[in-house]
Amino acid sequence: EVQLLESGGGLVQPGGSLRLSCEASGFTFSTAVMNWVRQAPGEGLEWVSAISDSGGSTYYADSVKGRFTISRDNFKSTLYLQMNSLRAEDTAVYYCGKDASMIPMDVWGKGTTVTVSS
Amino acid sequence: DIQMTQSPSTLSASVGDRVTITCRASQSFSSWLAWYQQKPGKAPKVLIYKTSSLHSGVPSRFSGSGSGTEFTLTVSSLQPDDFATYYCQQYNSYPWTFGQGTTVEIK
Repeated sequence: EVQLLESGGGLVQPGGSLRLSCEASGFTFSTAVMNWVRQAPGEGLEWVSAISDSGGSTYYADSVKGRFTISRDNFKSTLYLQMNSLRAEDTAVYYCGKDASMIPMDVWGKGTTVTVSS
Repeated sequence: DIQMTQSPSTLSASVGDRVTITCRASQSFSSWLAWYQQKPGKAPKVLIYKTSSLHSGVPSRFSGSGSGTEFTLTVSSLQPDDFATYYCQQYNSYPWTFGQGTTVEIK
């Protein structure tokens, strides 16, 4: 069974940092483009970042560019999101998602909650 | 960036109704558009990809169509399990963007 499991969320003060992880299983992780999508409380979905299968190409939403870094470890089948200079508006549930050729996010994790507050 | 605008924001309907949700793009693109369904407290699930392709396991009452700047999701006969929030997403170019969502409520 294809599964994605996010972890690393929590409460952090404004200006702080957090690293999210997404452990993948049930598919060949090293061949999949991976994404992060977030959802603020009561709000819609916002695409955050994507990374190519090799990790050689990365993409970011303007709202996080320069503050967040996406990376992956294909040996550990794990996706990461390093979040620095966190702001209150980064408070959200963060989902990782797997790309499947023509389908942008065919499998999603259950999400991990990040709260930025003093 | 391509902006996606969904309408309506909220839709009240009854079981058995035919329902249509529209997604308009700020610029024209090819068929790289997906539709997702999300229920409270759960991750979204993909229903439709590449404008009109039905994802595996999704009931055939869901269908997608459109081109250019206007795309639609249709539910031919609304079922109790379909009351949820629906999002369109363009994946033609980065940054990917979602519509703001359409909540389908019970009338």
